[in-house]
Amino acid sequence: KNEVEQSPQNLTAQEGEFITINCSYSVGISALHWLQQHPGGGIVSLFMLSSGKKKHGRLIATINIQEKHSSLHITASHPRDSAVYICAVYGGSQGNLIFGKGTKLSVKP
Amino acid sequence: DSGVTQTPKHLITATGQRVTLRCSPRSGDLSVYWYQQSLDQGLQFLIQYYNGEERAKGNILERFSAQQFPDLHSELNLSSLELGDSALYFCASSPGSGRFAEAFFGQGTRLTVV
Repeated sequence: KNEVEQSPQNLTAQEGEFITINCSYSVGISALHWLQQHPGGGIVSLFMLSSGKKKHGRLIATINIQEKHSSLHITASHPRDSAVYICAVYGGSQGNLIFGKGTKLSVKP
Repeated sequence: DSGVTQTPKHLITATGQRVTLRCSPRSGDLSVYWYQQSLDQGLQFLIQYYNGEERAKGNILERFSAQQFPDLHSELNLSSLELGDSALYFCASSPGSGRFAEAFFGQGTRLTVV
């Protein structure tokens, strides 16, 4: 079993829809990160969380440390949000960064 | 533009060969991180350097090595290349020494081993 699990693996939405991507992890962590990887391959760090909730524009990230779960929400989705969203946690036995497999989001106009 | 520059963008080489990937961090950033992204393994942390010294090591093969120079640019050396080393290699930088602060990623180097 992977230490970081994301769901769904693939997600197709219509423009304007509210999107939720989930991340569950099985290791103790000190921080969790959400990354966005564009079709061209470039990676952008969206959020770093250790508790609570963060908001940036139409993006909201939440984390529940007790439940070992985080969610990334996108409000009023737009085709330019189409990308792979990757959850990563800093934890585990070696304290290195452990990545989820990513969620591929496609937003149709 | 993240301010992190990776060269080359694409590299095609044969098995058994050695290549060097280069990363220039954002101005002022002291930490450089290297990651490998392959189709079957996803993203994996390889190694971190902070101000010229190795700070953390992840799933980096013995055939791979890295260094950070006094001007803070970093190089990842991959030797005795195998087909399975074909992947996207990312570099990221951050100001501090933490394992993963608010890091900024380069565009990656796509390595194809044939």
